[in-house]
Amino acid sequence: RKEVEQDPGPFNVPEGATVAFNCTYSNSASQSFFWYRQDCRKEPKLLMSVYSSGNEDGRFTAQLNRASQYISLLIRDSKLSDSATYLCVAEAGTALIFGKGTTLSVSS
Amino acid sequence: GAGVSQSPSNKVTEKGKDVELRCDPISGHTALYWYRQRLGQGLEFLIYFQGNSAPDKSGLPSDRFSAERTGESVSTLTIQRTQQEDSAVYLCASSSYLGEQYFGPGTRLTVT
Repeated sequence: RKEVEQDPGPFNVPEGATVAFNCTYSNSASQSFFWYRQDCRKEPKLLMSVYSSGNEDGRFTAQLNRASQYISLLIRDSKLSDSATYLCVAEAGTALIFGKGTTLSVSS
Repeated sequence: GAGVSQSPSNKVTEKGKDVELRCDPISGHTALYWYRQRLGQGLEFLIYFQGNSAPDKSGLPSDRFSAERTGESVSTLTIQRTQQEDSAVYLCASSSYLGEQYFGPGTRLTVT
């Protein structure tokens, strides 16, 4: 069965903290990986793609470990507006397999 | 430009009735997906359309669920003889590239 597993959290952190989320995927044939963000009662939105060499977009860094089938997202200098659920996503042929998400709550 | 739109935004129906949900994808996007998200749960893939190819229906939970798409435009998801466990948010997404899916706001279905 093709699955993406994430720690559901919640992760409660103060503003300015660094927080890391991890996920594992079961389909070794998956080639593409992504992180999506979903705000409460809203639709998911693409946050960033995850490349083999790791990639950074401002305060966000994504990394992929194919050998361990493991993906991570690091958020530095957390902002209140980062509070959301972060969905780890793996490609599976014609579809995307979404994890159930990790909830982040940033407080002042 | 216009994003993905879905209608209705909310639908309350009685158990046993049929419902039809509509999705208008972003113009030019060849791929269209339907997902279901139950309260507090992750996204569950239902069906995928790509151009004029046969749809991938592998995620449809039962034969009460069906979907159609006309060319590369509007899609409808039909649920026949609705059950209470069908209550969920039904999300539609379109894309021109597999990873970057643009989601509509969803239809919140409540079966009473």
